Amino acid sequence: AQSVTQPDIHITVSEGASLELRCNYSYGATPYLFWYVQSPGQGLQLLLKYFSGDTLVQGIKGFEAEFKRSQSSFNLRKPSVHWSDAAEYFCAVGAPGNEKLTFGTGTRLTIIP
Amino acid sequence: EAQVTQNPRYLITVTGKKLTVTCSQNMNHEYMSWYRQDPGLGLRQIYYSMNVEVTDKGDVPEGYKVSRKEKRNFPLILESPSPNQTSLYFCASSLRQGLTEAFFGQGTRLTVV
Repeated sequence: AQSVTQPDIHITVSEGASLELRCNYSYGATPYLFWYVQSPGQGLQLLLKYFSGDTLVQGIKGFEAEFKRSQSSFNLRKPSVHWSDAAEYFCAVGAPGNEKLTFGTGTRLTIIP
Repeated sequence: EAQVTQNPRYLITVTGKKLTVTCSQNMNHEYMSWYRQDPGLGLRQIYYSMNVEVTDKGDVPEGYKVSRKEKRNFPLILESPSPNQTSLYFCASSLRQGLTEAFFGQGTRLTVV
């Protein structure tokens, strides 16, 4: 069975600084990987996804993520955060042929001026 | 506009009083699912449906029922709610799970007293 670990419960970053949110997965083969963002009082919105091919994927709102098979990781990055990026971020893994999306426990991002 | 609509957004009820949370999508998606979100636990899948009249248990199905009589609707039924079902609930739909983006509803905040 697949699983996802987001080791950071809460991260605080200054506006304009760079950001990296960590995500590690467990799955026997190459999984499908996703990052979702949840703004306060809202549902989840897809930021980006990885199915195959280029290991560096670009998403919306200036985010990118890199799939590293050797480290079983799919970390989310942004070179310069904006106050509007404050939200909760979820990494998720889906397995080919498995009709299930498994979410991590989330990382809450706080932006300080 | 493509969307997943949940109702109600907020609900306070008493233990044992049956309730239904509705979910409707307008994208002709085959796959629909219900999640609950609890602090520190992320999103956990309750039930999912791969198509009309096809439903199956997720990770935490106890105390819940679902039905899928029409492609667009996927209601969540709590026959006898208990306080441990106090949570934030999300409905999601996708063309096919694991391969395509999941669209989420705005969430239903349920409190059982």
